[in-house]
Amino acid sequence: ETGVTQTPRHLVMGMTNKKSLKCEQHLGHNAMYWYKQSAKKPLELMFVYSLEERVENNSVPSRFSPECPNSSHLFLHLHTLQPEDSALYLCASSQDGLDMAGELFFGEGSRLTVL
Amino acid sequence: QKEVEQNSGPLSVPEGAIASLNCTYSDRVSQSFFWYRQYSGKSPELIMSIYSNGDKEDGRFTAQLNKASQYVSLLIRDSQPSDSATYLCAVTSSFGNEKLTFGTGTRLTIIP
Repeated sequence: ETGVTQTPRHLVMGMTNKKSLKCEQHLGHNAMYWYKQSAKKPLELMFVYSLEERVENNSVPSRFSPECPNSSHLFLHLHTLQPEDSALYLCASSQDGLDMAGELFFGEGSRLTVL
Repeated sequence: QKEVEQNSGPLSVPEGAIASLNCTYSDRVSQSFFWYRQYSGKSPELIMSIYSNGDKEDGRFTAQLNKASQYVSLLIRDSQPSDSATYLCAVTSSFGNEKLTFGTGTRLTIIP
């Protein structure tokens, strides 16, 4: 079983749809992240949860809504997205703490296409 | 000004040669530095971390850090075709801030 699992791997949705991305980590980590990866742009941090509390919201539009019910699960709820939101959404986890925050373990990503 | 800057490449290196990947960063008080490898269609994978000035070696990989010059590099010795990937440099923004800032990555191709 891989360390960080994301579902679905591919998602196509219309601008009026509501969908959710799911992430589960089996590494015993206590910090989880959502990143957005678009072509020719750096990985963009969206949200950080540490011990199930949100510690970072990087000016992300409200059409993206995260949820972290426990330290192993992270969701990204999607609502009325725009075509420019089409990207690869990556979930990651790490041990908490200053030295460990950069040592991320990524899931395989969810490729989102907004029509 | 970009916070973490990398040459996007592509960088082509013959098999068996040394591949040299470079990264500069703008925040002088950055503390931690990382190299991630991302194969096409896959997610990033951490391959090296370095926290103090100098060199750190792990197998065929050597990370080099020069905080005075705000420069971090990754050397890959005896390059193999399996090293062909995009290499992402990442830096923690400042002491006490756990936010990781990524560069856009350098695409490396090892030519057999």
